[in-house]
Amino acid sequence: NAGVTQTPKFRILKIGQSMTLQCTQDMNHNYMYWYRQDPGMGLKLIYYSVGAGITDKGEVLNGYNVSRSTTEDFPLRLELAAPSQTSVYFCASSYSRGRKDTEAFFGQGTRLTVV
Amino acid sequence: KNQVEQSPQSLIILEGKNCTLQCNYTVSPFSNLRWYKQDTGRGPVSLTIMTFSENTKSNGRYTATLDADTKQSSLHITASQLSDSASYICVVSYTGTASKLTFGTGTRLQVTL
Repeated sequence: NAGVTQTPKFRILKIGQSMTLQCTQDMNHNYMYWYRQDPGMGLKLIYYSVGAGITDKGEVLNGYNVSRSTTEDFPLRLELAAPSQTSVYFCASSYSRGRKDTEAFFGQGTRLTVV
Repeated sequence: KNQVEQSPQSLIILEGKNCTLQCNYTVSPFSNLRWYKQDTGRGPVSLTIMTFSENTKSNGRYTATLDADTKQSSLHITASQLSDSASYICVVSYTGTASKLTFGTGTRLQVTL
């Protein structure tokens, strides 16, 4: 039972570098999400997707991009990394149809430090 | 603005004791309310999920209550164990284009001997 798998678990980037955080789920969930969690703060939504080919921004603006070419994968791209992007990133997935929501399942997180 | 506020921020209790965590929200329209447990360095794990029509739900030693009129929820932990040491996050879902989730900042619980 893999659930939601994120890679890498840890990464250190230099300012201006780029990287992709990988996320895959094997539960056939239609919804996928990327969050960041800063110390002492609640999770903030970066991007979400309601299905393959459809993505939309959350409340965290700028510095990120996503794609959803398949149901299973939802990679998060950081272009031109900045120290403000130092955080723990969580990918999640859930199933939603009409008014029925299932619980969201989270990955183990990626701890990113930008120096 | 949709907000979820939790109290207390942190709590220390002795093993075997009970405790209650609080959550107030201003999310509207309301779809459901969830409680998650997050161990240090791990992703959140769902404990309970309640819709508008449910006012209590249990998961083992965890019991969540919901008062949709006052927009308050609580999570009661019975006979605490050392493994209950974690952050407990209240999350409210509002209806809209997508099932977006509004997260509280969590209550950090430490259970000691």
